[in-house]
Amino acid sequence: EAQVTQNPRYLITVTGKKLTVTCSQNMNHEYMSWYRQDPGLGLRQIYYSMNVEVTDKGDVPEGYKVSRKEKRNFPLILESPSPNQTSLYFCASSLQASGNTGELFFGEGSRLTVL
Amino acid sequence: GQQVMQIPQYQHVQEGEDFTTYCNSSTTLSNIQWYKQRPGGHPVFLIQLVKSGEVKKQKRLTFQFGEAKKNSSLHITATQTTDVGTYFCAAGAGSYQLTFGKGTKLSVIP
Repeated sequence: EAQVTQNPRYLITVTGKKLTVTCSQNMNHEYMSWYRQDPGLGLRQIYYSMNVEVTDKGDVPEGYKVSRKEKRNFPLILESPSPNQTSLYFCASSLQASGNTGELFFGEGSRLTVL
Repeated sequence: GQQVMQIPQYQHVQEGEDFTTYCNSSTTLSNIQWYKQRPGGHPVFLIQLVKSGEVKKQKRLTFQFGEAKKNSSLHITATQTTDVGTYFCAAGAGSYQLTFGKGTKLSVIP
């Protein structure tokens, strides 16, 4: 089954304790992206990757890091989480076509709370 | 970055009434996508529009892309309780980035 898998789905942590949210897709997609969703703000892009070893900042990259060492995986790293990073995070992937991002396939989401 | 305005933010309708959400950009878009997110779920792709003036239908849903490729709309005819959720537009401007609107949350009163 084609899917995007995120872990953990729920996490409560404390300020400053490094954490990683993993994302894996089994569709051989080139493009992967991370979004955060906050009430009233919709989906905001954190980082995206067009292929292995190619990453770029989205609209809200501060406080986050990513890596793309393999095509299927795109982990999101919070080196020193702060309460303003409490949010619902979505990983997504797509094929790239003609200079546009194609249909995005989203993971189930990871709800992160930073105390 | 690019800004996409989506209105209304909320819409409450009686079951059987129609519903429309609008998406507007100040710049010309290369494509626009629409997604639906059910309560507690993740966004799910509905459709992509690419051509100026394009109109696509999916059963009771009608999607339009403006002639100037700066705006788009999603219209639902005769809403049902299964239509409940938040509808997002996502605008592409010729790069590999998509900018999402803030979404329209639809409530359907049985």
